[in-house]
Amino acid sequence: EADIYQTPRYLVIGTGKKITLECSQTMGHDKMYWYQQDPGMELHLIHYSYGVNSTEKGDLSSESTVSRIRTEHFPLTLESARPSHTSQYLCASSGTSPLHFGNGTRLTVT
Amino acid sequence: DAKTTQPTSMDCAEGRAANLPCNHSTISGNEYVYWYRQIHSQGPQYIIHGLKNNETNEMASLIITEDRKSSTLILPHATLRDTAVYYCIVFGAAGNKLTFGGGTRVLVKP
Repeated sequence: EADIYQTPRYLVIGTGKKITLECSQTMGHDKMYWYQQDPGMELHLIHYSYGVNSTEKGDLSSESTVSRIRTEHFPLTLESARPSHTSQYLCASSGTSPLHFGNGTRLTVT
Repeated sequence: DAKTTQPTSMDCAEGRAANLPCNHSTISGNEYVYWYRQIHSQGPQYIIHGLKNNETNEMASLIITEDRKSSTLILPHATLRDTAVYYCIVFGAAGNKLTFGGGTRVLVKP
């Protein structure tokens, strides 16, 4: 069973603040993903990585950035949060096993 | 990665089998069919996957047509806790960009 952790679980922050959403996995998976999901809507891929020092943009344009300095860690950063960034952000990872998701970070920008 | 199409929603009576169809007509030979479900706004949960043979586990059965252009997820005895959005996706080991469609919103009724 893969373990993938996201912190914080909930975050309420003011406009203009810089934030970093954390995602870590303990299974040594090469591939990691960030999805954005509004309530009741489908998941949209915003970033993915297939290994250390590799990052790619997903299907949905996002103002966020990601980094992959270590295999187990794939943080997502918003330099200047805006109300339009209010959403749920889900992190996932996979190796040869199926994709495993964290429980998400629900971000509210006021 | 191949796209999938699923019905938007489906109702099912508690205790009955729920049959969830998925079309993936552009699937390629090395792509697997995966099923996930998402309850409320939790991270999607892996259910089952297969390549060309039918598969069964403790959660569900997966029936893949001989031409692999479609599949059916079967929940043999649906319970109220099976109410969720069910996603069918296709993904190959070489693929890096894993995208989700809209899924099927399943409502299990007493």
